[in-house]
Amino acid sequence: DAGVIQSPRHEVTEMGQEVTLRCKPISGHNSLFWYRQTMMRGLELLIYFNNNVPIDDSGMPEDRFSAKMPNASFSTLKIQPSEPRDSAVYFCASGQGQFFGPGTRLTVL
Amino acid sequence: KQEVTQIPAALSVPEGENLVLNCSFTDSAIYNLQWFRQDHGKGLTSLLLIQSSQREQTSGRLNASLDKSSGRSTLYIAASQPGDSATYLCAVKGPDNNDMRFGAGTRLTVKP
Repeated sequence: DAGVIQSPRHEVTEMGQEVTLRCKPISGHNSLFWYRQTMMRGLELLIYFNNNVPIDDSGMPEDRFSAKMPNASFSTLKIQPSEPRDSAVYFCASGQGQFFGPGTRLTVL
Repeated sequence: KQEVTQIPAALSVPEGENLVLNCSFTDSAIYNLQWFRQDHGKGLTSLLLIQSSQREQTSGRLNASLDKSSGRSTLYIAASQPGDSATYLCAVKGPDNNDMRFGAGTRLTVKP
């Protein structure tokens, strides 16, 4: 298995643009987690899904953030419009054992 | 709200030393506790997972303990090596087996 796959690995965009981050979990895992990591706030859980259903999105910072999981093999995290303070590394993890992807480093100018 | 604290924030030791990393949490009602390793610029790798009913887990040179009642966990690394240099994070999962709270991590440097 290739593990958790995230794309893109790096994203640089301008303030106000829409950003979409993608995640492919490990096949067979029923849960999927989106995290954000910054120097100031460390690693924060944004939202998690069980069987494609969002269970708790209380970690999502604002209405500008949305996440979907249309099927068991794909999830997206969207930021619209993006702001400089959204700059961070965004991780996707799957399974109760928390298998992490390599992350997407987002820079919003 | 669960808060997870890790001490020290950074640690530098010579190769071969045994060392202990500390993690404390405020709410003892947890489902499990997990230790992760994060190399610079990389994702997290799970090292050890301790269920709330367990007291410790071991893997190779690593041993993690859990004292739920006092809200503490330790990660013991024996005979440290330069390859152990990384940031070590502790994470606690809430009783509903969903919410996950991470500590800020301990940045370990093992000098040759």
